[in-house]
Amino acid sequence: RKEVEQDPGPFNVPEGATVAFNCTYSNSASQSFFWYRQDCRKEPKLLMSVYSSGNEDGRFTAQLNRASQYISLLIRDSKLSDSATYLCVVPPPRSYFGNEKLTFGTGTRLTIIP
Amino acid sequence: DAGVTQSPTHLIKTRGQHVTLRCSPISGHKSVSWYQQVLGQGPQFIFQYYEKEERGRGNFPDRFSARQFPNYSSELNVNALLLGDSALYLCASRRAQGITGELFFGEGSRLTVL
Repeated sequence: RKEVEQDPGPFNVPEGATVAFNCTYSNSASQSFFWYRQDCRKEPKLLMSVYSSGNEDGRFTAQLNRASQYISLLIRDSKLSDSATYLCVVPPPRSYFGNEKLTFGTGTRLTIIP
Repeated sequence: DAGVTQSPTHLIKTRGQHVTLRCSPISGHKSVSWYQQVLGQGPQFIFQYYEKEERGRGNFPDRFSARQFPNYSSELNVNALLLGDSALYLCASRRAQGITGELFFGEGSRLTVL
């Protein structure tokens, strides 16, 4: 099983719809998780972090299911500007400053259709 | 404040050549990491440096090397280039007080090996 797995998509979703995608991880000792957003031919940028059961920031909700070892990202009322690739990121379980080999998923490509 | 800056932004090399990529972290950030992103994949960890010392190394051959300078800037060197080294090379920095997983990426150096 890969350390971090994502459905690559693409997800083509009409504007205004709700979309959700998952990310599974293999190491049950992992404590924190992150979603990064990467626009086409740009650098990844941190979108959200998830430490406990979940996190919400406006239209975006990230949830963690430790029993099933997956995190999800939900986008409500999707906008054209949400079109991007969403990368799931898992740090090492006992990471500390200086030991931060982040494992990225392959990314889920999302296109919002007008 | 300036973000993470990388140079060159684009470069083309031929097989067997050598390349040096440069990165300047955000002012005050002492940790620099390098990632390789092949088209259609998530970034893969290559190196992490903190206070001029290598703190982590990913599964890359010895042809890849890096260093960090007293001003916290960094270089990534790749020798004996192969076609498979064609990728976007991303540099990321983070502050000591920041959370693990919160990286600030530069726009990357896009390397094409012919």
